[in-house]
Amino acid sequence: DTGVSQNPRHKITKRGQNVTFRCDPISEHNRLYWYRQTLGQGPEFLTYFQNEAQLEKSRLLSDRFSAERPKGSFSTLEIQRTEQGDSAMYLCASSLSGQAAYFGPGTRLTVT
Amino acid sequence: AQRVTQPEKLLSVFKGAPVELKCNYSYSGSPELFWYVQYSRQRLQLLLRHISRESIKGFTADLNKGETSFHLKKPFAQEEDSAMYYCALKAPNAGKSTFGDGTTLTVKP
Repeated sequence: DTGVSQNPRHKITKRGQNVTFRCDPISEHNRLYWYRQTLGQGPEFLTYFQNEAQLEKSRLLSDRFSAERPKGSFSTLEIQRTEQGDSAMYLCASSLSGQAAYFGPGTRLTVT
Repeated sequence: AQRVTQPEKLLSVFKGAPVELKCNYSYSGSPELFWYVQYSRQRLQLLLRHISRESIKGFTADLNKGETSFHLKKPFAQEEDSAMYYCALKAPNAGKSTFGDGTTLTVKP
């Protein structure tokens, strides 16, 4: 296990299309987080899971966004009807409860 | 509400000079505080957390509850310290971390 992995690393899509990103956390980590980062800003929290339960969602996560972690292992983040404002780096991180998070390399989304 | 402010977007020092990256926070209570670093073309990684009270790569950070600050310091900067540094805050037992907007540190030879 070499750390948190994310796929794809880059995604270019047209406005209105749906996209799905995958995150594979460090295997023994029970917590998984999604963040979004735009140029010149720090990561902004979107949501997090403890095992398969989604425990918190940011107000940034509109109805077009949905995240799942069906078996408490990998997670997917889906954006429906993408908008140009969704263009950002989407970061996944994982941790053990009470420990600091390990981040993945991110998925860069460009909506044209 | 949680807020983290890093007042300097850019910081430039010469090799061997001391460096201090500022972080101020807003939180009613006792937060957990972290510094993360992102080197060029690498992922975000933890540098240190206040509860560990350790020194990593020569960096230290002291939590000052009176001034609500968590500044990152190193007495002698090295060129390999050039990177983006993010300060982050987390409520105890919470999942969400709140990040500052980062400071780009450049260490000149």
